[in-house]
Amino acid sequence: DTEVTQTPKHLVMGMTNKKSLKCEQHMGHRAMYWYKQKAKKPPELMFVYSYEKLSINESVPSRFSPECPNSSLLNLHLHALQPEDSALYLCASSRGIERAEGYTFGSGTRLTVV
Amino acid sequence: GDSVTQMEGPVTLSEEAFLTINCTYTATGYPSLFWYVQYPGEGLQLLLKATKADDKGSNKGFEATYRKETTSFHLEKGSVQVSDSAVYFCALSDDSGAGSYQLTFGKGTKLSVIP
Repeated sequence: DTEVTQTPKHLVMGMTNKKSLKCEQHMGHRAMYWYKQKAKKPPELMFVYSYEKLSINESVPSRFSPECPNSSLLNLHLHALQPEDSALYLCASSRGIERAEGYTFGSGTRLTVV
Repeated sequence: GDSVTQMEGPVTLSEEAFLTINCTYTATGYPSLFWYVQYPGEGLQLLLKATKADDKGSNKGFEATYRKETTSFHLEKGSVQVSDSAVYFCALSDDSGAGSYQLTFGKGTKLSVIP
């Protein structure tokens, strides 16, 4: 298995809703990442998990809450989002943050906040 | 800090034309370099990579050579196809401190290939 699987592919949520994005990989990678990508822009790093511990939080608002239950799974919990949070949310993984390697990206969840 | 500069797009080419997308970088360390491709509505796919000077990465007819003297990693393809229409991101991975490597992306170049 050489894939990163993200669910759902599309999500529409209201500003008072609570939802979660899910990301899964079975490549034995020990680093996992959440990125946010707005239209016609490069991905922006949000969070990095290394060996299931939060390693980097790029000053992301607390309405985004990441969770890494085990080495294969990464969640992003969403609460009280704003319309400007609408974007493509990408998950990625790599063998480790201590290596200068490329990442494997999922196909993303396209989030619309109404 | 580290940065990646790509040529501004969009780039529009006819099928079978030669493609070059320029990429230059600034890094404090000795980075690895990557090209990613993003097809419409999809995530990013690693297209090719190079880890040291003079390395040539290649995949699906695309090539890029790690040039340390000019700090460049230009993407080339001899004959593009309509199916190559996508956004291409140049990126580097460098030690951001304490032995932690992070990807830094360029702004992306949109390529449109017309029949």
